[in-house]
Amino acid sequence: EPEVTQTPSHQVTQMGQEVILRCVPISNHLYFYWYRQILGQKVEFLVSFYNNEISEKSEIFDDQFSVERPDGSNFTLKIRSTKLEDSAMYFCASSELTGTNSPLHFGNGTRLTVT
Amino acid sequence: AQKITQTQPGMFVQEKEAVTLDCTYDTSDQSYGLFWYKQPSSGEMIFLIYQGSYDEQNATEGRYSLNFQKARKSANLVISASQLGDSAMYFCAMRARKNTGFQKLVFGTGTRLLVSP
Repeated sequence: EPEVTQTPSHQVTQMGQEVILRCVPISNHLYFYWYRQILGQKVEFLVSFYNNEISEKSEIFDDQFSVERPDGSNFTLKIRSTKLEDSAMYFCASSELTGTNSPLHFGNGTRLTVT
Repeated sequence: AQKITQTQPGMFVQEKEAVTLDCTYDTSDQSYGLFWYKQPSSGEMIFLIYQGSYDEQNATEGRYSLNFQKARKSANLVISASQLGDSAMYFCAMRARKNTGFQKLVFGTGTRLLVSP
């Protein structure tokens, strides 16, 4: 079964450094998302992306965050200058459609630790 | 605004028993979808089951069924014949139709299920 793949599985970085989290969505999916989950807490929406544009973003997704689809397969989340509070599990997801009946398929996540 | 409420932080069940995980939702939209995801200790998010707001029958997927009560705005997950491998965090989530056409998935806070032998 096709799946969303994320790399790396774990990233440790120092405060103030830039990180890029990478994702390869399911190949026939058109809608892409990033979510994050601070340890033991709720899964929070960051951003959705379609047709090379951001469709929606949350208040968490400030100027320090950006997303890109640099080629036909990858989808990346960049954090320009990491803060301690950015430590979380980051999930990439994709969906075939954007309708209410279209489930999001998630990757295994990247655990980001900012020291 | 959409809101998902899961009032059970933790649930315990014995192997082979059935368990119900509660989920209530709030939305003013007429068209929406309800989803359940499983998150094992390894961290991945696994899609389990979907129920549409206009579906008249409750969704079922193997040992999972969704007890959908629209008037009560509840979408409880029922796991029959629990197995040790069902021990995980379970999230209820919703997508509602917006005029913009794009709907994000909104999650509840989750219920941790522990299945004992």
